[in-house]
Amino acid sequence: QQPVQSPQAVILREGEDAVINCSSSKALYSVHWYRQKHGEAPVFLMILLKGGEQKGHDKISASFNEKKQQSSLYLTASQLSYSGTYFCGTEGGNTPLVFGKGTRLSVIA
Amino acid sequence: KAGVTQTPRYLIKTRGQQVTLSCSPISGHRSVSWYQQTPGQGLQFLFEYFSETQRNKGNFPGRFSGRQFSNSRSEMNVSTLELGDSALYLCASSRTGDNQPQHFGDGTRLSIL
Repeated sequence: QQPVQSPQAVILREGEDAVINCSSSKALYSVHWYRQKHGEAPVFLMILLKGGEQKGHDKISASFNEKKQQSSLYLTASQLSYSGTYFCGTEGGNTPLVFGKGTRLSVIA
Repeated sequence: KAGVTQTPRYLIKTRGQQVTLSCSPISGHRSVSWYQQTPGQGLQFLFEYFSETQRNKGNFPGRFSGRQFSNSRSEMNVSTLELGDSALYLCASSRTGDNQPQHFGDGTRLSIL
């Protein structure tokens, strides 16, 4: 079952922060986050396994709450290069990796 | 290390025809997954192969099929093409598929006239 992402789109000025949420109606084993720039392939950002850990990647970090079946991606002090569509993907044990519809992030100067 | 290679990059077909897309995973990766991407729908899961076996299948009609060879290369076939099949088809590979980062190819853009 496809996870639900929110918001669908967000516009930021350089230096501002953003949070992208991902929720599932099914029990999750892991959550993936990817970024896709226009005309390019999705690129892996990070994966979080159940256990509620938080991971970081430069100024981009994420959390995973397995009890609530939710994950959030945090982008701090956004840069122009952060623009793109962000996808969360979820796995539930023996189920395949399925992705949400994406969140379009635009960072403007 | 070479990335995931998909061929062809672009394809134009007419309704009723069939098409075969190819994906060569990163060396050492045994899991290959296919996704259909259309505007507003995100990445829709088609199927996953691991060691020549289909491990999972998405909610697509039987016109969509695939296979994986002993060298982990994978092909996807779509028969009796419909206008709605126009999309970007992405292939992703990983070492084992379970909770592993997926590495995507650049995709094949299929247009149906």
